[in-house]
Amino acid sequence: DQQVKQNSPSLSVQEGRISILNCDYTNSMFDYFLWYKKYPAEGPTFLISISSIKDKNEDGRFTVFLNKSAKHLSLHIVPSQPGDSAVYFCAGCSNDYKLSFGAGTTVTVRA
Amino acid sequence: DSGVTQTPKHLITATGQRVTLRCSPRSGDLSVYWYQQSLDQGLQFLIQYYNGEERAKGNILERFSAQQFPDLHSELNLSSLELGDSALYFCASSPGLAGRTGELFFGEGSRLTVL
Repeated sequence: DQQVKQNSPSLSVQEGRISILNCDYTNSMFDYFLWYKKYPAEGPTFLISISSIKDKNEDGRFTVFLNKSAKHLSLHIVPSQPGDSAVYFCAGCSNDYKLSFGAGTTVTVRA
Repeated sequence: DSGVTQTPKHLITATGQRVTLRCSPRSGDLSVYWYQQSLDQGLQFLIQYYNGEERAKGNILERFSAQQFPDLHSELNLSSLELGDSALYFCASSPGLAGRTGELFFGEGSRLTVL
């Protein structure tokens, strides 16, 4: 039962441009959404989160947008840098504290 | 370095066998989580322990079991292994029940290959 879906397995973007990663969810009980970033041979690391009472959260080059009515969130990276090349996981969390992750989107930033 | 240590990093075994994966959480973290990542799949939540007690259970098979010891390290036991159990198993820890705010710190994972 995939409660979180990342329909784009990969994304290639030129350095300096915007990266937009999309995520859809089905569980209406999710009240927190998070993005994790993973480099090869490393564990995922927390990137940014958003509460369901907000529609936008910004942290430096990273901004997450939430559209509750569409059950959709997106991560914007502006400007994209080579070090941003990684796998990005979207996750939803409800009050049972279990995170449900998507399958991930591999971002490649081209020089 | 997240501070979460997982051993072994790689493990190759045969079908029908049993293995134990070990996780040492960050110093001071009371919660330990286990996740499974199969090929092209997201991170599937298996189980969570908080201060030695099972706190939440996900899609963990009956052939799998886990525990958290008094020193807070955790072990994930996988038995009667099947080819489909081949995956990357991640352990994560957090200070409390803090998954909602992103305070999950992941280890590097244990890659299990079942032949």
